Amino acid sequence: QKEVEQNSGPLSVPEGAIASLNCTYSDRVSQSFFWYRQYSGKSPELIMSIYSNGDKEDGRFTAQLNKASQYVSLLIRDSQPSDSATYLCAVNMDNNDMRFGAGTRLTVKP
Amino acid sequence: DVKVTQSSRYLVKRTGEKVFLECVQDMDHENMFWYRQDPGLGLRLIYFSYDVKMKEKGDIPEGYSVSREKKERFSLILESASTNQTSMYLCASRIQGSYEQYFGPGTRLTVT
Repeated sequence: QKEVEQNSGPLSVPEGAIASLNCTYSDRVSQSFFWYRQYSGKSPELIMSIYSNGDKEDGRFTAQLNKASQYVSLLIRDSQPSDSATYLCAVNMDNNDMRFGAGTRLTVKP
Repeated sequence: DVKVTQSSRYLVKRTGEKVFLECVQDMDHENMFWYRQDPGLGLRLIYFSYDVKMKEKGDIPEGYSVSREKKERFSLILESASTNQTSMYLCASRIQGSYEQYFGPGTRLTVT
């Protein structure tokens, strides 16, 4: 079982819709979770971090964490074509290693 | 703002050549990392360094070595490049005690 799993997509949503990106992880004791956005040909850019169960909102982005179910998600409200990118989920493991998912490719269609 | 720079955006090398990839960060971060990114495989950790002169193997260190002589600079060395090392190489840094990593622009290496 991969340590961090994401649906590779592509996920396609219309402009203005809510995009929902999901991630599951295997290490029950992980405490730190991150979402990175990566535009084609560019490097990953940190957009959200979450450390506690529940929701964390930052503008149009909401990260949701459920440690009991070992999943973390990212919601993008009012999706824009500029949100089209690959979104990487990252989890800090018990041994302090950061593990990345393979990413979900999101396309927002005008 | 954290700035992580890498010496080359694109690099083409021949099989058997020794290749040096340089990474420099300007925020006095203690920890630095080298990843490679391949389609469908995500980011895989090659080596990391917690501080000057320190290095630790990641998940895929075979065929690579690293050097950290100064705090701001972390070099990745391909001792004898092979075609299966064609990839995007990403350097990252973070402050000690933080989990948030900041990435450089990446080097796309092609080995022919």
